[in-house]
Amino acid sequence: DIVMTQTPLSSPVILGQPASISCRSSQSLAHSDGNTYLSWLHQRPGQPPRLLIYRISNRFSGVPDRFSGSGAGTDFTLKISRVEAEDVGLYYCMQGTQFPRTFGQGTKVEIK
Amino acid sequence: QVQFVQSGAEVMKPGASVKVSCKASGYTFTNYIIHWVRQAPGQSLEWMGWINARNGNTKYSQSFQDRVTITRDTSASTAYMELSSLTSEDTAIYYCARDFVGTTFDYWGQGTLVTVSS
Repeated sequence: DIVMTQTPLSSPVILGQPASISCRSSQSLAHSDGNTYLSWLHQRPGQPPRLLIYRISNRFSGVPDRFSGSGAGTDFTLKISRVEAEDVGLYYCMQGTQFPRTFGQGTKVEIK
Repeated sequence: QVQFVQSGAEVMKPGASVKVSCKASGYTFTNYIIHWVRQAPGQSLEWMGWINARNGNTKYSQSFQDRVTITRDTSASTAYMELSSLTSEDTAIYYCARDFVGTTFDYWGQGTLVTVSS
């Protein structure tokens, strides 16, 4: 199975300041079809996860443009340009290149 | 709008089986794959398997291969996940989620808490 490792596990941020989360996979997520299937999910306390970013850098419908994704191969990054109060919670990276689908441990974003 | 409504919380004895339902609305049920993902208390997410709602084909994680069965009822636009031989380690919130571009999940159910306790 592909192991997904996120850093940091906790990220205290000041409102209006940027935040960044890294995700590393144990093997390349490049698929034989030429795409790389790395997505990011956000989970607020007591809520199910919701999709933010798919295929490294594509924002899902309705996701604010302060969220951006980048990376390639085994190293990926989620950036929030200016953190807002509603952005608190857990962020997970997830690989969709191989079965079983696997997730990072989660990064907790909280307001400092 | 796309929505999934899952069945209510369950408390089960060790060794028992549990069956969780996931009723879809707001889209054509048979056009999508439905996944099941679980989250133990304070833990990350764990993918369990999927079902093709059109033809009923399934794929399971090896971690649950012998204990999980995913089915669907197209007339009710509902998917089901049954997990057998429960232990305390199966205490978790179980989510259904719709497949998106074959590689991630776009809409999720609200989750069903399954507690396994003697």
